Amino acid sequence: DTAVSQTPKYLVTQMGNDKSIKCEQNLGHDTMYWYKQDSKKFLKIMFSYNNKELIINETVPNRFSPKSPDKAHLNLHINSLELGDSAVYFCASSELAENTGELFFGEGSRLTVL
Amino acid sequence: EDQVTQSPEALRLQEGESSSLNCSYTVSGLRGLFWYRQDPGKGPEFLFTLYSAGEEKEKERLKATLTKKESFLHITAPKPEDSATYLCAVRPASGGSYIPTFGRGTSLIVHP
Repeated sequence: DTAVSQTPKYLVTQMGNDKSIKCEQNLGHDTMYWYKQDSKKFLKIMFSYNNKELIINETVPNRFSPKSPDKAHLNLHINSLELGDSAVYFCASSELAENTGELFFGEGSRLTVL
Repeated sequence: EDQVTQSPEALRLQEGESSSLNCSYTVSGLRGLFWYRQDPGKGPEFLFTLYSAGEEKEKERLKATLTKKESFLHITAPKPEDSATYLCAVRPASGGSYIPTFGRGTSLIVHP
């Protein structure tokens, strides 16, 4: 069983469209994250959810909206896509935020905006 | 602002040629320093956590060490399968954020 799974793995779309990426973890973790990795491999935190509540938002544009229906799922919805949104988006999970050590990552979702 | 700097950006080694990767950090206290390995097209995979200066961790050909300002990932007699990007991340001890901040990684290629 995959611990952290993301879908879709690849996403190609036009500027201005709206898209979603789904993430699920079966590790029983309380905290989930979305990271964005640019073309230079830099991983930057976007959101963190602890027990379905947003605990940090690193000045991400409000076109990005995380949604967590339960603690095992954290989806990312993006409105009005822009060229600069092209990147690989990684979902991750960990135990309680204040005890965060090891992050478990999904395999990533490569978003290409044309 | 907390910063994590990794060097070199890229490293090419011959099989068996030992070397070290560097991760220097400036944080207001350290709650933990983490090393991850990332293969192309995959998510980062956890390797080690270090918490205090002088601490060392080992796994196969990899050994991570920590001082008050930097961490080294030593690779002894590397093999081609060690080729990957190695990422360092730190968690500050203060500031209210528990989220690890990542460096830009070192891309390692080991030639047979």
